Amino acid sequence: QKEVEQDPGPLSVPEGAIVSLNCTYSNSAFQYFMWYRQYSRKGPELLMYTYSSGNKEDGRFTAQVDKSSKYISLFIRDSQPSDSATYLCAMRYTGNQFYFGTGTSLTVIP
Amino acid sequence: DTGVSQNPRHKITKRGQNVTFRCDPISEHNRLYWYRQTLGQGPEFLTYFQNEAQLEKSRLLSDRFSAERPKGSFSTLEIQRTEQGDSAMYLCASSSPARGLGEQYFGPGTRLTVT
Repeated sequence: QKEVEQDPGPLSVPEGAIVSLNCTYSNSAFQYFMWYRQYSRKGPELLMYTYSSGNKEDGRFTAQVDKSSKYISLFIRDSQPSDSATYLCAMRYTGNQFYFGTGTSLTVIP
Repeated sequence: DTGVSQNPRHKITKRGQNVTFRCDPISEHNRLYWYRQTLGQGPEFLTYFQNEAQLEKSRLLSDRFSAERPKGSFSTLEIQRTEQGDSAMYLCASSSPARGLGEQYFGPGTRLTVT
């Protein structure tokens, strides 16, 4: 079983829709939870970073962490064509390794 | 803050050759990470440096791979006797102790093709 599971999609939504992206994990020691956006043939770009459980909002993006269910989510409101990319979840505990999901490919159709 | 840079951006090599990649982290970032990413997968951790010390290596890291960060600034990743399975994007990331443990910033990557 992988440490982090993420549905690869692809996910296709119309412009303006609310997008929900999710990851599950198996290691209850994870404390730091991140979401990255990766455009084709580019390095990942940090979008959101959350420590422990709860919600965090930044503009159109909201990250949620539910440690009891070992489940994290990223919501994108008012999605734009420029949001079309692959979204990667990542996690770490107090060690130095980051564990990434496989990424979900998102296309926002104008 | 000019971001993390990596060179070369692309490398094509023949099986059995050695290759070396360079990463220049964001200035004053003392933590540096190397990852490998294959198509349709997330980045896979390879190794971690704090300043010049290599503190962690993935169990998956073959002994053909070696990384250095001689002065705690730039880092190099060398792959000896390349194999076709080494074809991937090699990503470097850096972070600062002044930021949270979850924050790291990636470079654009070096895409390696082994023929």
